[in-house]
Amino acid sequence: GENVEQHPSTLSVQEGDSAVIKCTYSDSASNYFPWYKQELGKRPQLIIDIRSNVGEKKDQRIAVTLNKTAKHFSLHITETQPEDSAVYFCAASWVGDDKIIFGKGTRLHILP
Amino acid sequence: GAVVSQHPSWVICKSGTSVKIECRSLDFQATTMFWYRQFPKQSLMLMATSNEGSKATYEQGVEKDKFLINHASLTLSTLTVTSAHPEDSSFYICSADGTSGQETQYFGPGTRLLVL
Repeated sequence: GENVEQHPSTLSVQEGDSAVIKCTYSDSASNYFPWYKQELGKRPQLIIDIRSNVGEKKDQRIAVTLNKTAKHFSLHITETQPEDSAVYFCAASWVGDDKIIFGKGTRLHILP
Repeated sequence: GAVVSQHPSWVICKSGTSVKIECRSLDFQATTMFWYRQFPKQSLMLMATSNEGSKATYEQGVEKDKFLINHASLTLSTLTVTSAHPEDSSFYICSADGTSGQETQYFGPGTRLLVL
């Protein structure tokens, strides 16, 4: 089955700097890659997603890139702010199955 | 749109009792719902996929007789933790799939279960 690896597990960046979180997936049939932000004790919230027919997608300070050949995708957050502090999960889903497989998460700390 | 609710938000119970958690899609019909378990500082682990009108599909290692899932309507799925034990204490989150195909899952707020 699909396996999603996520790195790093913890990331600290200075406020205003950029943060990058990387994920790899194992199943080449995967074609949908959402990213979720989860604050402590709350539900995961979708922040951006990308489908396999697109290499990059951007929404204000957040961008996601996808390299299908290498089977990896990344989340980029620019001009980080204190409210960006949270746990971020990448995930992958594939044709013919509604299941989403999550990475283990990255705890992002924005330092003042 | 795409709001998913869960009830209760937290529950404390004694070991050996059963606990039912409800997951509702409030403004859309969900043919498929998913149940996840999340231990502290860990990722969401899919427990089972619930399809309206049919039996749930459980992930490997999840005991179907212990975690009973019922998806009786297009807006409601329930998870019953039977004979709960302290190791079942966790954060249980449901999500719903709005339509078939590649759709985003919408998550409920989660239910925190503490078994004493």
